[in-house]
Amino acid sequence: DVKVTQSSRYLVKRTGEKVFLECVQDMDHENMFWYRQDPGLGLRLIYFSYDVKMKEKGDIPEGYSVSREKKERFSLILESASTNQTSMYLCASSLQREAYEQYFGPGTRLTVT
Amino acid sequence: GENVEQHPSTLSVQEGDSAVIKCTYSDSASNYFPWYKQELGKRPQLIIDIRSNVGEKKDQRIAVTLNKTAKHFSLHITETQPEDSAVYFCAASLTGSARQLTFGSGTQLTVLP
Repeated sequence: DVKVTQSSRYLVKRTGEKVFLECVQDMDHENMFWYRQDPGLGLRLIYFSYDVKMKEKGDIPEGYSVSREKKERFSLILESASTNQTSMYLCASSLQREAYEQYFGPGTRLTVT
Repeated sequence: GENVEQHPSTLSVQEGDSAVIKCTYSDSASNYFPWYKQELGKRPQLIIDIRSNVGEKKDQRIAVTLNKTAKHFSLHITETQPEDSAVYFCAASLTGSARQLTFGSGTQLTVLP
Protein backbone atom coordinates (compact mmCIF):
# COMPACT_ATOMS: atom_id res chain seq x y z
CA ASP A 1 0.00 0.00 0.00
CA VAL A 2 1.46 3.32 -1.12
CA LYS A 3 2.04 5.76 1.66
CA VAL A 4 2.71 9.44 1.15
CA THR A 5 3.15 11.51 4.28
CA GLN A 6 3.53 15.22 4.86
CA SER A 7 5.33 16.79 7.79
CA SER A 8 2.42 18.82 9.15
CA ARG A 9 -1.37 18.86 8.79
CA TYR A 10 -1.67 22.47 9.95
CA LEU A 11 0.92 25.23 9.96
CA VAL A 12 0.69 28.90 10.89
CA LYS A 13 3.52 31.21 9.87
CA ARG A 14 4.14 34.94 9.80
CA THR A 15 4.69 37.03 6.70
CA GLY A 16 8.34 36.98 5.67
CA GLU A 17 9.19 33.71 7.39
CA LYS A 18 10.94 30.90 5.53
CA VAL A 19 8.69 27.86 5.45
CA PHE A 20 9.60 24.24 4.79
CA LEU A 21 7.01 21.64 3.84
CA GLU A 22 8.23 18.10 3.64
CA CYS A 23 6.86 15.07 1.81
CA VAL A 24 7.99 11.47 2.12
CA GLN A 25 6.88 8.46 0.10
CA ASP A 26 7.75 4.87 0.85
CA MET A 27 7.13 3.17 -2.51
CA ASP A 28 10.33 4.02 -4.38
CA HIS A 29 8.48 6.33 -6.78
CA GLU A 30 10.58 8.32 -9.21
CA ASN A 31 8.16 11.21 -9.67
CA MET A 32 7.09 13.62 -6.95
CA PHE A 33 4.86 16.67 -7.17
CA TRP A 34 3.78 19.68 -5.14
CA TYR A 35 0.33 21.22 -5.69
CA ARG A 36 -1.64 23.92 -4.01
CA GLN A 37 -5.39 23.58 -3.73
CA ASP A 38 -7.65 26.60 -3.56
CA PRO A 39 -11.45 26.67 -3.79
CA GLY A 40 -12.63 26.99 -7.37
CA LEU A 41 -9.12 26.66 -8.77
CA GLY A 42 -8.58 22.93 -8.47
CA LEU A 43 -5.10 21.53 -8.01
CA ARG A 44 -2.35 23.69 -9.44
CA LEU A 45 1.12 22.27 -9.98
CA ILE A 46 3.93 24.23 -8.31
CA TYR A 47 6.98 22.07 -8.95
CA PHE A 48 7.73 18.46 -9.78
CA SER A 49 10.72 16.16 -9.83
CA TYR A 50 11.35 13.02 -11.86
CA ASP A 51 14.64 12.05 -10.24
CA VAL A 52 16.90 12.90 -7.33
CA LYS A 53 18.24 16.44 -7.62
CA MET A 54 16.07 17.05 -10.70
CA LYS A 55 13.29 19.60 -10.56
CA GLU A 56 11.02 21.33 -13.01
CA LYS A 57 8.68 24.27 -12.69
CA GLY A 58 4.98 23.67 -12.82
CA ASP A 59 2.29 26.20 -13.58
CA ILE A 60 2.74 28.46 -10.53
CA PRO A 61 6.38 28.30 -9.30
CA GLU A 62 6.74 31.96 -8.32
CA GLY A 63 7.59 32.40 -4.66
CA TYR A 64 8.48 28.72 -4.18
CA SER A 65 11.50 26.49 -4.51
CA VAL A 66 12.01 22.77 -3.99
CA SER A 67 14.67 20.31 -2.96
CA ARG A 68 15.04 16.61 -3.67
CA GLU A 69 18.21 15.24 -2.13
CA LYS A 70 16.86 11.73 -1.62
CA LYS A 71 14.47 9.71 -3.77
CA GLU A 72 11.83 9.38 -1.07
CA ARG A 73 11.78 13.01 0.06
CA PHE A 74 10.62 16.17 -1.69
CA SER A 75 10.59 19.50 0.10
CA LEU A 76 8.71 22.65 -0.79
CA ILE A 77 10.25 25.91 0.39
CA LEU A 78 8.57 29.27 0.70
CA GLU A 79 11.52 31.64 0.79
CA SER A 80 9.56 34.55 2.26
CA ALA A 81 5.98 33.61 3.07
CA SER A 82 3.24 35.98 2.00
CA THR A 83 -0.47 36.04 2.85
CA ASN A 84 -1.39 35.01 -0.71
CA GLN A 85 0.40 31.73 -0.08
CA THR A 86 -2.20 30.75 2.49
CA SER A 87 -3.54 27.53 1.01
CA MET A 88 -3.76 23.75 1.19
CA TYR A 89 -0.56 22.13 -0.08
CA LEU A 90 -0.68 18.60 -1.43
CA CYS A 91 2.24 16.37 -2.26
CA ALA A 92 1.94 13.42 -4.66
CA SER A 93 4.14 10.71 -6.10
CA SER A 94 4.00 8.28 -9.01
CA LEU A 95 5.98 5.59 -10.72
CA GLN A 96 7.69 6.76 -13.86
CA ARG A 97 7.04 3.67 -15.91
CA GLU A 98 3.52 2.96 -14.69
CA ALA A 99 0.13 4.22 -15.71
CA TYR A 100 0.62 7.73 -14.38
CA GLU A 101 -1.51 7.27 -11.23
CA GLN A 102 -0.52 9.84 -8.63
CA TYR A 103 -0.79 9.04 -4.94
CA PHE A 104 -1.46 12.01 -2.72
CA GLY A 105 -0.43 12.91 0.79
CA PRO A 106 -2.96 14.16 3.37
CA GLY A 107 -2.15 17.81 2.74
CA THR A 108 -0.79 20.70 4.81
CA ARG A 109 -3.10 23.60 5.56
CA LEU A 110 -0.76 26.61 5.67
CA THR A 111 -1.93 29.93 7.05
CA VAL A 112 0.31 32.97 6.65
CA THR A 113 -0.59 35.88 8.90
CA GLY B 1 0.68 24.43 -21.89
CA GLU B 2 -2.39 22.31 -21.33
CA ASN B 3 -5.62 23.88 -20.10
CA VAL B 4 -8.48 21.83 -18.65
CA GLU B 5 -11.95 23.26 -18.07
CA GLN B 6 -14.49 21.43 -15.94
CA HIS B 7 -18.26 21.89 -15.62
CA PRO B 8 -20.38 22.21 -13.61
CA SER B 9 -18.68 23.52 -10.50
CA THR B 10 -21.51 22.19 -8.31
CA LEU B 11 -24.01 19.43 -8.98
CA SER B 12 -26.86 18.17 -6.81
CA VAL B 13 -28.75 14.99 -7.67
CA GLN B 14 -31.30 12.81 -5.95
CA GLU B 15 -30.09 9.47 -4.68
CA GLY B 16 -30.47 6.91 -7.43
CA ASP B 17 -30.22 9.43 -10.24
CA SER B 18 -27.27 9.77 -12.62
CA ALA B 19 -24.59 12.47 -12.52
CA VAL B 20 -22.47 13.70 -15.41
CA ILE B 21 -19.39 15.90 -15.18
CA LYS B 22 -17.74 17.26 -18.31
CA CYS B 23 -14.21 18.41 -19.08
CA THR B 24 -12.53 19.90 -22.12
CA TYR B 25 -8.81 20.07 -22.81
CA SER B 26 -6.77 22.24 -25.11
CA ASP B 27 -3.74 20.21 -26.20
CA SER B 28 -4.55 17.54 -28.78
CA ALA B 29 -1.35 15.71 -27.78
CA SER B 30 -2.77 14.87 -24.34
CA ASN B 31 -3.16 11.13 -24.10
CA TYR B 32 -4.19 10.23 -20.56
CA PHE B 33 -7.30 11.41 -18.69
CA PRO B 34 -7.81 10.41 -15.05
CA TRP B 35 -10.58 11.29 -12.63
CA TYR B 36 -9.90 11.82 -8.94
CA LYS B 37 -12.38 11.87 -6.09
CA GLN B 38 -11.74 13.90 -2.94
CA GLU B 39 -14.02 13.33 0.03
CA LEU B 40 -14.28 16.05 2.62
CA GLY B 41 -11.05 16.37 4.59
CA LYS B 42 -9.35 13.58 2.67
CA ARG B 43 -6.76 13.27 -0.05
CA PRO B 44 -7.67 12.93 -3.75
CA GLN B 45 -7.80 9.36 -5.00
CA LEU B 46 -7.92 7.98 -8.52
CA ILE B 47 -11.28 6.44 -9.37
CA ILE B 48 -11.03 5.81 -13.10
CA ASP B 49 -8.86 6.76 -16.05
CA ILE B 50 -8.87 6.50 -19.82
CA ARG B 51 -6.24 6.63 -22.50
CA SER B 52 -6.55 8.32 -25.86
CA ASN B 53 -6.78 5.04 -27.77
CA VAL B 54 -10.01 4.12 -25.94
CA GLY B 55 -13.40 5.79 -26.33
CA GLU B 56 -15.13 4.52 -23.22
CA LYS B 57 -14.29 2.71 -20.00
CA LYS B 58 -16.60 1.43 -17.31
CA ASP B 59 -16.10 0.27 -13.74
CA GLN B 60 -19.30 -0.74 -11.98
CA ARG B 61 -21.35 2.45 -11.53
CA ILE B 62 -18.82 4.83 -13.01
CA ALA B 63 -17.85 5.31 -16.64
CA VAL B 64 -15.71 7.72 -18.57
CA THR B 65 -16.10 8.66 -22.23
CA LEU B 66 -13.56 10.41 -24.43
CA ASN B 67 -14.12 12.34 -27.65
CA LYS B 68 -10.68 13.09 -29.07
CA THR B 69 -12.01 15.05 -32.02
CA ALA B 70 -13.91 17.44 -29.80
CA LYS B 71 -11.25 17.29 -27.06
CA HIS B 72 -13.67 16.54 -24.28
CA PHE B 73 -14.23 13.74 -21.80
CA SER B 74 -16.94 13.04 -19.27
CA LEU B 75 -17.52 11.15 -16.03
CA HIS B 76 -20.82 9.34 -15.61
CA ILE B 77 -22.01 8.03 -12.27
CA THR B 78 -25.17 5.94 -12.29
CA GLU B 79 -27.44 5.00 -9.37
CA THR B 80 -25.82 7.63 -7.18
CA GLN B 81 -25.48 7.01 -3.46
CA PRO B 82 -24.78 9.39 -0.56
CA GLU B 83 -21.18 8.15 -0.40
CA ASP B 84 -20.65 9.49 -3.92
CA SER B 85 -20.85 13.01 -2.44
CA ALA B 86 -17.38 14.52 -2.92
CA VAL B 87 -15.35 16.83 -5.10
CA TYR B 88 -14.40 15.28 -8.43
CA PHE B 89 -11.42 16.46 -10.48
CA CYS B 90 -10.67 15.65 -14.08
CA ALA B 91 -7.13 15.89 -15.41
CA ALA B 92 -5.15 15.56 -18.61
CA SER B 93 -1.59 14.48 -19.19
CA LEU B 94 0.93 14.87 -21.92
CA THR B 95 3.75 12.39 -22.26
CA GLY B 96 6.42 14.34 -20.42
CA SER B 97 9.37 13.77 -18.16
CA ALA B 98 7.15 13.00 -15.18
CA ARG B 99 3.79 12.69 -16.94
CA GLN B 100 2.55 15.62 -14.97
CA LEU B 101 -1.18 16.24 -14.78
CA THR B 102 -3.17 19.41 -15.44
CA PHE B 103 -6.31 19.37 -13.31
CA GLY B 104 -9.72 20.89 -13.84
CA SER B 105 -11.19 23.20 -11.21
CA GLY B 106 -13.34 20.49 -9.61
CA THR B 107 -17.03 19.64 -9.25
CA GLN B 108 -18.73 19.43 -5.87
CA LEU B 109 -21.25 16.59 -6.20
CA THR B 110 -23.96 16.34 -3.57
CA VAL B 111 -26.25 13.32 -3.54
CA LEU B 112 -29.48 14.14 -1.74
CA PRO B 113 -31.19 11.34 0.19
